[in-house]
Amino acid sequence: GENVEQHPSTLSVQEGDSAVIKCTYSDSASNYFPWYKQELGKGPQLIIDIRSNVGEKKDQRIAVTLNKTAKHFSLHITETQPEDSAVYFCAAIGGGSYIPTFGRGTSLIVHP
Amino acid sequence: SQTIHQWPATLVQPVGSPLSLECTVEGTSNPNLYWYRQAAGRGLQLLFYSVGIGQISSEVPQNLSASRPQDRQFILSSKKLLLSDSGFYLCAWSKPTGLGEKLFFGSGTQLSVL
Repeated sequence: GENVEQHPSTLSVQEGDSAVIKCTYSDSASNYFPWYKQELGKGPQLIIDIRSNVGEKKDQRIAVTLNKTAKHFSLHITETQPEDSAVYFCAAIGGGSYIPTFGRGTSLIVHP
Repeated sequence: SQTIHQWPATLVQPVGSPLSLECTVEGTSNPNLYWYRQAAGRGLQLLFYSVGIGQISSEVPQNLSASRPQDRQFILSSKKLLLSDSGFYLCAWSKPTGLGEKLFFGSGTQLSVL
């Protein structure tokens, strides 16, 4: 089955800095890669996603890149703000199994 | 628009007591429904998913069961809770066109078994 590794487990940055979270996946047939943001005590919310026919996608301060050859994808947050502090999850879906495989999460802390 | 309701928000139960968590979705038909659990505040563990009324798939053998008595209602149950059942329980739904894509999560239930 699919295996998703996510790094780092914790990321601490100063407000205004950029943050990058990286994920690798094992199943080359995976074709959909969403990112979720979970604030304390709440359910995860989809913030951006990318499909395997696209290499990069941007939405204001967040962007996701995908390298199919290397089987890794990354979340980039620019000009971080304290409200970006949360746990971020990557996931991979496809290859015959339509249940998402999640990474273990990254706790992002943005210091004012 | 679609909304998902999950309750209660918090629950404290003694060991050996029964459990019933309910989740309902509004604004869509025939959604795929999921129950996840988070332990230690981090990873998402899929417990059950359902593609239709009465159709339940279990991912992890455990002390819990799930039922889908109506199209947009998903219930998580236990006859006797264990200490290890403590955690943050999340219900989610996705469109029926594809399992797993764009999951929409509820606000979660924090369960403490004492």
